[in-house]
Amino acid sequence: AQSVTQLDSQVPVFEEAPVELRCNYSSSVSVYLFWYVQYPNQGLQLLLKYLSGSTLVKGINGFEAEFNKSQTSFHLRKPSVHISDTAEYFCAVSDGNQFYFGTGTSLTVIP
Amino acid sequence: NAGVTQTPKFRVLKTGQSMTLLCAQDMNHEYMYWYRQDPGMGLRLIHYSVGEGTTAKGEVPDGYNVSRLKKQNFLLGLESAAPSQTSVYFCASSRIADPTDTQYFGPGTRLTVL
Repeated sequence: AQSVTQLDSQVPVFEEAPVELRCNYSSSVSVYLFWYVQYPNQGLQLLLKYLSGSTLVKGINGFEAEFNKSQTSFHLRKPSVHISDTAEYFCAVSDGNQFYFGTGTSLTVIP
Repeated sequence: NAGVTQTPKFRVLKTGQSMTLLCAQDMNHEYMYWYRQDPGMGLRLIHYSVGEGTTAKGEVPDGYNVSRLKKQNFLLGLESAAPSQTSVYFCASSRIADPTDTQYFGPGTRLTVL
């Protein structure tokens, strides 16, 4: 089974500042990588995914992530956050059979 | 187009009671999933279905049963609820049997077992 590690459980950041949410996974074989966002009292929504090709993936709401195979990482970034970005963010990995989710990072944007 | 819906949104059970959670999707998706979300543990897959009439176990299947009698519905049953099953349950669906395909999630069911 895969394991997904989100290194920060909580990230507070001021509005309009940049943010990076870190994600590492365990496998050295080919995987598919995803970032999901969960707003309060809602289900998860896909932000972006890496399947193959360019290691820099752009998603919705101005987020992007970079796949680094040698470091088995898939960190999520946004150059300038808004209050509305306050949410829980989940990194996920698929090995072709199942999805494995990280424990989540709670992003709080401070006015 | 409602996407993925879950019924009920909240439920409180006593230990030993049974209940069924209903998931419905109107996107004609083949794959459907049931996850549980616990603090500090992320989402864990309970059971999934690759099509009408078929189900398979996920990472944490014990204490749960599922059925997919109709393509659009995926039921999660608890025959004898335990406090350890207190959790938020999410249903998801995806279009095809491809791990690269996006999963669409329902809003969740918050279950408390006393």
